[in-house]
Amino acid sequence: KNQVEQSPQSLIILEGKNCTLQCNYTVSPFSNLRWYKQDTGRGPVSLTIMTFSENTKSNGRYTATLDADTKQSSLHITASQLSDSASYICVVSANSNYQLIWGAGTKLIIKP
Amino acid sequence: GAVVSQHPSRVICKSGTSVKIECRSLDFQATTMFWYRQFPKQSLMLMATSNEGSKATYEQGVEKDKFLINHASLTLSTLTVTSAHPEDSSFYICSARPPGLAGDGTQYFGPGTRLLVL
Repeated sequence: KNQVEQSPQSLIILEGKNCTLQCNYTVSPFSNLRWYKQDTGRGPVSLTIMTFSENTKSNGRYTATLDADTKQSSLHITASQLSDSASYICVVSANSNYQLIWGAGTKLIIKP
Repeated sequence: GAVVSQHPSRVICKSGTSVKIECRSLDFQATTMFWYRQFPKQSLMLMATSNEGSKATYEQGVEKDKFLINHASLTLSTLTVTSAHPEDSSFYICSARPPGLAGDGTQYFGPGTRLLVL
């Protein structure tokens, strides 16, 4: 069964600190993996997209990694800001029908 | 580019009434649009896939007679929640797939519509 699991479910850190969010997936055949940021009451916004051959992708203070062998991905946020408070969702695209398999998300709260 | 809008952003209605939500791709044509529902503290759940000029494809467990989808043009899809009940209260999000990018699953999301049924 195609699944995407994220951890932790929620995370609270102080402004300026770094953090890493995890995503494990069992999706086959794999097409790509995206990290989305969803602010409360808003639609998701894409942060990064990685295909099978890519190990890392950066977007400003966001750096995503992908290990296709272990089927794990991480999203690292450096020098966190209050505006980083949001839900971060890992989404894997299955190659067979371009279906998107959504993780439950990690709710990140940045405290001043 | 690649902006998707939704209207209204929030709506409150009485139980038994119908509510229409519009999803528009503002700067590109979208042959395929998607409708999602999101309950508090949960991730998005795909309700249906809407293709311009044809009937929508509904996910298992989604009542097609309750959630009417119309994709009449390449830039507009509508979701009508018929005879809404309090359990239909949720956050409804649409997305649109740009032409030529179907292969990698790219979708651009609208800002969502908060529906509260009293």
